[in-house]
Amino acid sequence: NAGVMQNPRHLVRRRGQEARLRCSPMKGHSHVYWYRQLPEEGLKFMVYLQKENIIDESGMPKERFSAEFPKEGPSILRIQQVVRGDSAAYFCASSPTQGSTNTEAFFGQGTRLTVV
Amino acid sequence: EDKVVQSPLSLVVHEGDTVTLNCSYEVTNFRSLLWYKQEKKAPTFLFMLTSSGIEKKSGRLSSILDKKELFSILNITATQTGDSAIYLCAAFAQGGSEKLVFGKGTKLTVNP
Repeated sequence: NAGVMQNPRHLVRRRGQEARLRCSPMKGHSHVYWYRQLPEEGLKFMVYLQKENIIDESGMPKERFSAEFPKEGPSILRIQQVVRGDSAAYFCASSPTQGSTNTEAFFGQGTRLTVV
Repeated sequence: EDKVVQSPLSLVVHEGDTVTLNCSYEVTNFRSLLWYKQEKKAPTFLFMLTSSGIEKKSGRLSSILDKKELFSILNITATQTGDSAIYLCAAFAQGGSEKLVFGKGTKLTVNP
């Protein structure tokens, strides 16, 4: 079981470019969560997705940010027209099912985005 | 607004010391509380606590939840330099949406 896979591990973008972050959940997991960790801060929830559905995007900025989890392939977090303030570590987590009492989220290694 | 508050934010101890990390939470539709250890990579899972008063142990680490007072503690006995990390507490909320609400973490430094 390869665990949650994120790529790339490091991404450098110039201001105004687009950043695409990918997350492949653990095998058998159909729930994906994206979190952002700014320097000296805790992990902040961004968006929760199931296959082909966005369940909760309350933590995601309304502009420039979007997320998807297609039927086939990884979940994608897209940031358009990046700004310096987008520089952070972006973590993806997955869990098996909703409603499980003992659900724990497994995290990927993160993508460290640097905007120059 | 859901929130999780950890204390202290930073802690420096010597090897062999015992430490207690605190986590209080205010979360709608609370389901469980999770502790993670974060070194220079992804958070790694330590404990999930769902019931009050039942201590969970893993080696030198232990944790307990108080659902009445809305807090949890993480204890580490006989600390080692390898315990140096950021310890994150997260409350798992369930309802229309599931999400983890994280605290800012406690940065633990264990000196030889």
